[in-house]
Amino acid sequence: QKEVEQNSGPLSVPEGAIASLNCTYSDRVSQSFFWYRQYSGKSPELIMSIYSNGDKEDGRFTAQLNKASQYVSLLIRDSQPSDSATYLCAVKMNYGGSQGNLIFGKGTKLSVKP
Amino acid sequence: EPEVTQTPSHQVTQMGQEVILRCVPISNHLYFYWYRQILGQKVEFLVSFYNNEISEKSEIFDDQFSVERPDGSNFTLKIRSTKLEDSAMYFCASSGADRLSSPLHFGNGTRLTVT
Repeated sequence: QKEVEQNSGPLSVPEGAIASLNCTYSDRVSQSFFWYRQYSGKSPELIMSIYSNGDKEDGRFTAQLNKASQYVSLLIRDSQPSDSATYLCAVKMNYGGSQGNLIFGKGTKLSVKP
Repeated sequence: EPEVTQTPSHQVTQMGQEVILRCVPISNHLYFYWYRQILGQKVEFLVSFYNNEISEKSEIFDDQFSVERPDGSNFTLKIRSTKLEDSAMYFCASSGADRLSSPLHFGNGTRLTVT
């Protein structure tokens, strides 16, 4: 069973703080890793992708990947109330006949308090 | 910026009826997907489609489901005989040429309510 695990939260941080979101995955053949943001009742919106070990920064967002530990995280600096949403970790796995389907975690609900 | 479009945004149907959910993927994308999300639960993979055929499907995608690309732009999901438990948000997605690294881009979804 290929799983993507996230703490469901809610994670509450004050405005301006750093929010740290974590994700673990069960399958060592996982290749590509994505963070999506989902507002209530809306579709997943791509924030970042990361493919190799280390950090990747894009504006206020930093994704971190550690394949040996099967761990991926997302840091949001200078958190804003508009960042309040559910953050979905998603993994593409390369195995057998897989066509690169995304497997999602349950998501972590983030609340940024003004 | 190109986007995936889905229609209708909300569909209400009676149990046992057939529904067709429609999607227009991003024009230069090659891989197409349907996902669903039951209220309060995670986004679940249903089916992927490439080169005019199903490339992979999940256990959820049983005989009551089918997909089709009837022309060069539309991608549809048909549910033949809806059940109450089919009530969910259905998301269409598409991705580019590199199947392992290209991110999926999602449409706004169709909320299906089965009564």
